[in-house]
This record gives sequence, structure tokens and C-alpha cells, in this order.
Amino acid sequence: GQSLEQPSEVTAVEGAIVQINCTYQTSGFYGLSWYQQHDGGAPTFLSYNALDGLEETGRFSSFLSRSDSYGYLLLQELQMKDSASYFCVTRGNYGQNFVFGPGTRLSVLP
Amino acid sequence: GAVVSQHPSWVICKSGTSVKIECRSLDFQATTMFWYRQFPKQSLMLMATSNEGSKATYEQGVEKDKFLINHASLTLSTLTVTSAHPEDSSFYICSARGFGQALGQQYFGPGTRLTVT
Repeated sequence: GQSLEQPSEVTAVEGAIVQINCTYQTSGFYGLSWYQQHDGGAPTFLSYNALDGLEETGRFSSFLSRSDSYGYLLLQELQMKDSASYFCVTRGNYGQNFVFGPGTRLSVLP
Repeated sequence: GAVVSQHPSWVICKSGTSVKIECRSLDFQATTMFWYRQFPKQSLMLMATSNEGSKATYEQGVEKDKFLINHASLTLSTLTVTSAHPEDSSFYICSARGFGQALGQQYFGPGTRLTVT
């Protein structure tokens, strides 16, 4: 089966950089995605890594190391609106479904 | 593009009744739709995966006779919670994937908050 681990909470100040780590155990690997969810809202897609390395999208970057079963989401120039929960997500059932990590709640302080 | 709607956004029902939730892909054909449940301050738990025209595949521990899923067209899937009980109160979210979309990407509806009294 699939399991993922993330820190439960992270706190940072506006303008700072924060890294949210994710380690995973999977039977078969189909890439690692990251989603953001504000309280009461639906998750929104941030990034996807199928191969090792860094993917950059604006202020957000995501990194993957398949040999270490590890990835991270890097958020730069933090803004108050970045306060949300962040989930790393992998595929399960031979790539047929999605498995969410427990989520990391990011609080951005002024 | 890639908009998914869900209806209703919230519903209150009495214990023992059934509730139907609709999930629609508005601007793409959803070959696969997923139904999740999320309890407060917890992660999303996948309930079932449905492909258009096929029976849904339920995750372990999810009662298929209680959570009826129908994916009759490429733009519509429904989840019916039958004989609802207070412990079924939760946030139900659907997501959808279509042709040519990145492997790691799914588009979520806004969710339905179900309260069973």
C-alpha cells in the first residue's frame, strides 16, 4: 500500500521561505503531487514531480528524490494568503487512484 | 478551464434518509471521477473511483451499499448516501480527471457539507 508522512504544522513569517517535507512508502511509484487547501475550501493543484529534481512554478517549487522516497514543497516570499493546509499526494492501486498525506498546516504570521 | 461543480454545497438531513450529491465537470470530459470524505482537521480519504460507464471501485472499508456512486456520463457522477446517520456527517468532495491531463493532477469540486441530525 501507500503511506506518506508530513509535519503536522509549520509556522513562518511573511516574506520568509518555508519548506514542507514529505516522505512516502509506495508499492510502485507514479509521481508526487502537492495540493493546497484553505479552510472550508477544495484542494487546488500546485505541482507534480514524476522525475527527480526541482519543478518551479512562480513562488512555489517542488523537489523529488525517488531514491530517498522524499520530496518537498518550497514556498518563497510567503504571504498571509499562503496560510493553508498543504498535502503531498501519490498514486495508489497501480496508478488508478490518489492517496493523500496527512497534511501540513502552514500559518504565516505578520 | 477544468472547472468542476458540486451540488448542493451544503445539506442537512434527518437520520435514516438518503441524500444525493452531484458532481459535474463543466468544461471537459471526465473519464475518471473520485469521491473523497474529509473530517474536520483531517486529510482527504478516498472513498471510491469511478470511470464513466463502469461500476465504481470502492476503497477498503467503504460500504458500497451505503454510498452509491453512479458515473453515467462523461460530465456527471453522483454519490448517494443511503440511510444516513450522524456519523456520516462530513465534508464530501469530488474530483475529476480527463484526457491529456497531467498524471498527478485532478480537479476538485467545491465540496458538499453534509450534516445528519
